[in-house]
Amino acid sequence: SQQGEEDPQALSIQEGENATMNCSYKTSINNLQWYRQNSGRGLVHLILIRSNEREKHSGRLRVTLDTSKKSSSLLITASRAADTASYFCATDPFSGANSKLTFGKGITLSVRP
Amino acid sequence: DTEVTQTPKHLVMGMTNKKSLKCEQHMGHRAMYWYKQKAKKPPELMFVYSYEKLSINESVPSRFSPECPNSSLLNLHLHALQPEDSALYLCASSQVRGQGRGEAFFGQGTRLTVV
Repeated sequence: SQQGEEDPQALSIQEGENATMNCSYKTSINNLQWYRQNSGRGLVHLILIRSNEREKHSGRLRVTLDTSKKSSSLLITASRAADTASYFCATDPFSGANSKLTFGKGITLSVRP
Repeated sequence: DTEVTQTPKHLVMGMTNKKSLKCEQHMGHRAMYWYKQKAKKPPELMFVYSYEKLSINESVPSRFSPECPNSSLLNLHLHALQPEDSALYLCASSQVRGQGRGEAFFGQGTRLTVV
């Protein structure tokens, strides 16, 4: 079952602009992760934020986490055409001994040159 | 080496065929996963192996049979599939909870078409 819900579902921006994507989830989490998927290919891990963290940066990526609102946002600054892809948030719940990533529906980002 | 290698990249099989998907990683990860992804949908978890033992089966039909022969290899045996099983099958690996950061590394997937 899906836990994360990203919004918007599709985003089209001009190269150089910033892209902000949001994710909401329903249950308690151990961590929240963002992945990118180019058309028809495997997923690439972008960034992980733990439940006790509020903000993380990695290069042009900035992710925030608000556990009280059960939401996260991913900001991509100075976007490039190569950032065109689908982006998924994935949550890792506390339950169980194993990591069990559950993916949201995804956001399709188009960056126009 | 941070790669997860899946073979084959594409597979077309009939409903009476038996085939296998293969996945290999050499990152020392002791958790491995199979996901199924339909077009324009998110990946859906099928199976999780931890220390070569099946730890999670997400109520997957028995026509899908996973196998983890050793810590580097993961197979998915397919038999008597239906056309609706056509999808991208993704393998992933990660460190076991508590032993690492938690991110999963994905292969490029096998595009399966059942005819």
